[in-house]
Amino acid sequence: DTEVTQTPKHLVMGMTNKKSLKCEQHMGHRAMYWYKQKAKKPPELMFVYSYEKLSINESVPSRFSPECPNSSLLNLHLHALQPEDSALYLCASSQDPRGGAGNEQFFGPGTRLTVL
Amino acid sequence: GNSVTQMEGPVTLSEEAFLTINCTYTATGYPSLFWYVQYPGEGLQLLLKATKADDKGSNKGFEATYRKETTSFHLEKGSVQVSDSAVYFCALTLYSGAGSYQLTFGKGTKLSVIP
Repeated sequence: DTEVTQTPKHLVMGMTNKKSLKCEQHMGHRAMYWYKQKAKKPPELMFVYSYEKLSINESVPSRFSPECPNSSLLNLHLHALQPEDSALYLCASSQDPRGGAGNEQFFGPGTRLTVL
Repeated sequence: GNSVTQMEGPVTLSEEAFLTINCTYTATGYPSLFWYVQYPGEGLQLLLKATKADDKGSNKGFEATYRKETTSFHLEKGSVQVSDSAVYFCALTLYSGAGSYQLTFGKGTKLSVIP
């Protein structure tokens, strides 16, 4: 299984809602990532988990809250978002984080989020 | 810091034309280099990679060679198809110093292939 899955595929939420995005991989990868991608732009890194521990938080507002319950799952909890947070949210994973620069990241299909 | 510069698009080609998308990088170490492709409405897929100087990555008729002397990793394909229409991202990865390797992306080049 060389796939990263993400649910839901699409999400529409109001600014007062609480929702969660889910990401799953069964490749035994020990690094997992959340990216935000706006239209016609490259992905921007938000968070990195290495061995289920948060290792990088790229100054992301606290209305985004990541969680890594186990080595296969990564969640992104959303609360009190703003319309400018509307974007494609991509999850990725890669092998042992200590394994070297050659380890590619495998991306999921993304969740298209719209905040009204 | 690290950065990737790739040619601005959009690029429009006729089917069976030759494709080159230029990519150059600046890095504070010895990076690995990647090309990712994003088809409309989808996530990113790894197209090819190279981990050391003079390595050639290849996949689906696409090729790119890691040129350390010119800090470049240009993407080429001899004969493009309509199905190659997508956005192509050049990227590098280096150790972030925080237990992982971070990807640095170029801005992306949109390719449209017309029949």
